[in-house]
Amino acid sequence: GAGVSQSPSNKVTEKGKDVELRCDPISGHTALYWYRQSLGQGLEFLIYFQGNSAPDKSGLPSDRFSAERTGGSVSTLTIQRTQQEDSAVYLCASSYRDRLGNEQFFGPGTRLTVL
Amino acid sequence: QQQVKQSPQSLIVQKGGISIINCAYENTAFDYFPWYQQFPGKGPALLIAIRPDVSEKKEGRFTISFNKSAKQFSLHIMDSQPGDSATYFCAALVYGNKLVFGAGTILRVKS
Repeated sequence: GAGVSQSPSNKVTEKGKDVELRCDPISGHTALYWYRQSLGQGLEFLIYFQGNSAPDKSGLPSDRFSAERTGGSVSTLTIQRTQQEDSAVYLCASSYRDRLGNEQFFGPGTRLTVL
Repeated sequence: QQQVKQSPQSLIVQKGGISIINCAYENTAFDYFPWYQQFPGKGPALLIAIRPDVSEKKEGRFTISFNKSAKQFSLHIMDSQPGDSATYFCAALVYGNKLVFGAGTILRVKS
């Protein structure tokens, strides 16, 4: 079946603009995660959705960042008033919540460049 | 306490050699330790994972060694091949299924 897809693959924006990044998880996966990968760095957790539970937003770096997941499937990560330090690859992953070992399947990411 | 420290940052190995990447953690609540492999322009993909009730897990040329008392684990790639050239991340699972990742190791296997 299809893997996790993300769009757009690349996004260039000007400082101060808002951007929306989209994630389509694997069908049937109940958990969805957003991570940020800065150049040469590891993956930084941003937010986690599990079913109908309240999302874990503990990784969001500021109130300019928000995310929603509609209908338990597609998710959108929104960054308002973008700053140059927001430039990074934003990765989405999905998994079965109750699967032992919690294998997370990652999408290819969206490369965001803030000029 | 949530950090996972990974070393080295980069590694060059001759074809056929053994690649070794090390990770250390502090949080004793971690109970799942996966390794991810990432090629340029792609998302990370699960390579192999271990739980702390075993000291070693082997899948093909890839082996995880786990030392619970030292809070360390490592990835060994035997008979390293040029196709193994990628960035490798160790990670650890926090309750709530939130993975904590190491900073990554860029592996280059010279042919």
